[in-house]
Amino acid sequence: DAGVIQSPRHEVTEMGQEVTLRCKPISGHNSLFWYRQTMMRGLELLIYFNNNVPIDDSGMPEDRFSAKMPNASFSTLKIQPSEPRDSAVYFCASSSERGGYTFGSGTRLTVV
Amino acid sequence: GDSVTQMEGPVTLSEEAFLTINCTYTATGYPSLFWYVQYPGEGLQLLLKATKADDKGSNKGFEATYRKETTSFHLEKGSVQVSDSAVYFCALSDPYSSASKIIFGSGTRLSIRP
Repeated sequence: DAGVIQSPRHEVTEMGQEVTLRCKPISGHNSLFWYRQTMMRGLELLIYFNNNVPIDDSGMPEDRFSAKMPNASFSTLKIQPSEPRDSAVYFCASSSERGGYTFGSGTRLTVV
Repeated sequence: GDSVTQMEGPVTLSEEAFLTINCTYTATGYPSLFWYVQYPGEGLQLLLKATKADDKGSNKGFEATYRKETTSFHLEKGSVQVSDSAVYFCALSDPYSSASKIIFGSGTRLSIRP
């Protein structure tokens, strides 16, 4: 089992550019979560999906953020346009109905 | 709503010292409780869990007991090592969430001196 796979590991982009983060959950897990981690705000839940359907996106900070899960094995988090305050580590996690998350290694985003 | 409160860090200890990181929770119903650990540059990893009152979760020398009467799940280790330096997150699962959503505490940074 390769675990939750996120790409890229690091992303540096200029303000105003579109950024797309990718996540492949563990096969058989039916829930997927996107988190953002910063020193100031800690770990924030942005959005989560159950069986590919978005359940709660109340943590998405602005309309610049969007997330999709077109199938059970892939999800994207997009920021358009990006801003320096979006700089953070973005984590994807997946879980099965028995509970307990498995986290990916994260994508460190720097917007300059 | 449901929430988790854990002691603020950083916590700095000498090697072989006894560790306690306090965690209390607020929840309706009967959540499962977790401790996650995050090593530098990595994602969070499940350290241990307990699913009902009086259960004790344990792993790698760490222990935590689900105390319903005090709504607590304190993390303990008898003798810490330098390799235990990390950020520790207490968490609970929302029993009413169809997606087993987990609510995390703010994290406690632990540093162990050789």
